[in-house]
Amino acid sequence: GQNIDQPTEMTATEGAIVQINCTYQTSGFNGLFWYQQHAGEAPTFLSYNVLDGLEEKGRFSSFLSRSKGYSYLLLKELQMKDSASYLCAVRDSNYQLIWGAGTKLIIKP
Amino acid sequence: IAGITQAPTSQILAAGRRMTLRCTQDMRHNAMYWYRQDLGLGLRLIHYSNTAGTTGKGEVPDGYSVSRANTDDFPLTLASAVPSQTSVYFCASSDTSGSSDTQYFGPGTRLTVL
Repeated sequence: GQNIDQPTEMTATEGAIVQINCTYQTSGFNGLFWYQQHAGEAPTFLSYNVLDGLEEKGRFSSFLSRSKGYSYLLLKELQMKDSASYLCAVRDSNYQLIWGAGTKLIIKP
Repeated sequence: IAGITQAPTSQILAAGRRMTLRCTQDMRHNAMYWYRQDLGLGLRLIHYSNTAGTTGKGEVPDGYSVSRANTDDFPLTLASAVPSQTSVYFCASSDTSGSSDTQYFGPGTRLTVL
């Protein structure tokens, strides 16, 4: 079966750095996405990785290792508004997105 | 304002009733999707459409139907609602001709079936 694993919940301090991990086992791989979802709102696109390596976009970076079935989202200089759930999704061989359950990130002052 | 709209925002429905959730996008995206999101689970694909006039089944299609008469609209119908269909429903769209085929989401419909 297909599986996306992420930690259920993480806590970090304002101004710090946090890394959210995602491991996947899917039938095929055609890219990995990270989305942010604030409580009661829709998911919004953060990043896309299809090749190995690090993609940096402001305070957010995303890393992919296809051989290890592993990705992480790195958030720097955390702000209170970063409190949200972070969803990892992999596009499989059928070009469908398989979603993880999400990681709820709690930022403390 | 470009984007995706969904209606209604929320609905309480008696079991056995028929309900249609509406979704409209103005980005001229060819592909559209319906997901449900339940606590502790990832988004699950119900139905999708790669282009107007075609639809396909996702992971959890039973009890739901869709149509895609034109590019902009993708309604989801529950023929006879059951309590297990209580969920938050998100519509999404994407341009599959792009390199990443990123999906963009509507604001969601919170549905409660009693």
